[in-house]
Amino acid sequence: DIQMTQSPSSLSASVGDRVTITCRASQSVSKFLNWYQQKPGKAPNLLIYGATTLQNGVPSRFSGGGSGTEFTLTITSLQPEDFATYYCQQNYGDFWTFGQGTNVEVK
Amino acid sequence: QVQLQESGPGLVKPSETLSLTCSVSGASINSQYWSWIRQPAGKGLEWIGRVYTSGSANNNPSLRSRVTMSLDVPKNQFSLKMTSMTAADTGVYYCARDLGGSREAFDIWGQGTVVTVSS
Repeated sequence: DIQMTQSPSSLSASVGDRVTITCRASQSVSKFLNWYQQKPGKAPNLLIYGATTLQNGVPSRFSGGGSGTEFTLTITSLQPEDFATYYCQQNYGDFWTFGQGTNVEVK
Repeated sequence: QVQLQESGPGLVKPSETLSLTCSVSGASINSQYWSWIRQPAGKGLEWIGRVYTSGSANNNPSLRSRVTMSLDVPKNQFSLKMTSMTAADTGVYYCARDLGGSREAFDIWGQGTVVTVSS
């Protein structure tokens, strides 16, 4: 299995802050890495696919970077609607896995 | 607008088989990929498996012996069967779509259905 480890597991931030979440893979997944946002009681929402491509309709304050084993999700200016849990997911090969999630909460 | 809707029993007894269906509207299930993902209460996401129109499928190895996925093209639905259910299988089950190729990511999700395993 390819293990995905996100850091931090949780963070406290304020509106307007720049936030970066890191996702590390236990082996290279090239650029087969996606990011999702999930709010309580809701299904996840795709933000970034292919490590760096912004999904249609997602605000440009979200961006993804990295390749191989280390990836980042950056929110350049945190908005009130961005407080949520974020998951990375690798789709390299036939067995896909998610990171454990990063909870972004109000400071 | 593509929409997915899960349906199935909310309560399953231990050792029994879970059967869930995902109904797709706004798109044909042909030529796209369809997955099941679950989430225990308060925990993270776990990919169960993925099926394609051709019937080809790939599953989470930890669940493979218990999982069967299939498509019903005339009804525009796909389904999940999971055998030998235990309390550890309790959670929210989602169906999701991915377009494959360069857009291999879950872009459309159902709202999720809660499954509780209890006698």
